[in-house]
Amino acid sequence: SYELTQPPSVSVSPGQTARITCSADALPHQSIYWYQQKAGQAPVVMIYKDTERPSGIPERFSGSNSGTTVTLTISGVQAEDEADYYCQSSFNSGIYWVFGGGTKLTVL
Amino acid sequence: EVQLVESGGGLAQRGGSLRLSCTASGFTFNIYWMHWVRQAPGKGLVWVARIHKDGPYTSYADSVRGRFTISRDNAKNTLHLQMNSLRDEDSAVYYCVREYDGAGNWGIDYWGQGTLVTVSS
Repeated sequence: SYELTQPPSVSVSPGQTARITCSADALPHQSIYWYQQKAGQAPVVMIYKDTERPSGIPERFSGSNSGTTVTLTISGVQAEDEADYYCQSSFNSGIYWVFGGGTKLTVL
Repeated sequence: EVQLVESGGGLAQRGGSLRLSCTASGFTFNIYWMHWVRQAPGKGLVWVARIHKDGPYTSYADSVRGRFTISRDNAKNTLHLQMNSLRDEDSAVYYCVREYDGAGNWGIDYWGQGTLVTVSS
């Protein structure tokens, strides 16, 4: 199988930069997607295909890929960004999908 | 506006069965691959199953293969998940989700609000 590893939690103060990593246990990996889930709500896609930002997502959200580790960066974190963030990818040409364990972002 | 509305959740007995449905609207249903994703209370997201836009090709997570069946009725814009031999660990919110359109774009662009399944003896 295939696993994605995320840190359980990240804490930052408002205005700082938050970086959430997602590490794949094998190469090559398919594209990574990032989802934000606020308490009691369904997830929302924030980044697709490693670095692309859907329309309507603030520019402070960005994605980068450095091989086995992909990073979601939130620049100038705001209180409203406090949420759980999940990375997701696939293997066997999209047949099987996997989520990372999730990272709880706390805005201090 | 894309909408995915799940139904069919509720209380089920251990070893029993339940059938979830998802009614899609606001888009051309039969050109999208669809999935079910679940989330146990207080836990993370877990992919469950995927189905081809026409229905013949499916794939499942190891934890549900042989017990769950994903299917779709494109004439009714509906996705289903038949869950048999339910276990306590199947208790979760089940989300109906749409896969991005486009070759190699293996991610989710829309999520339903979810339906809660509770398995109990």
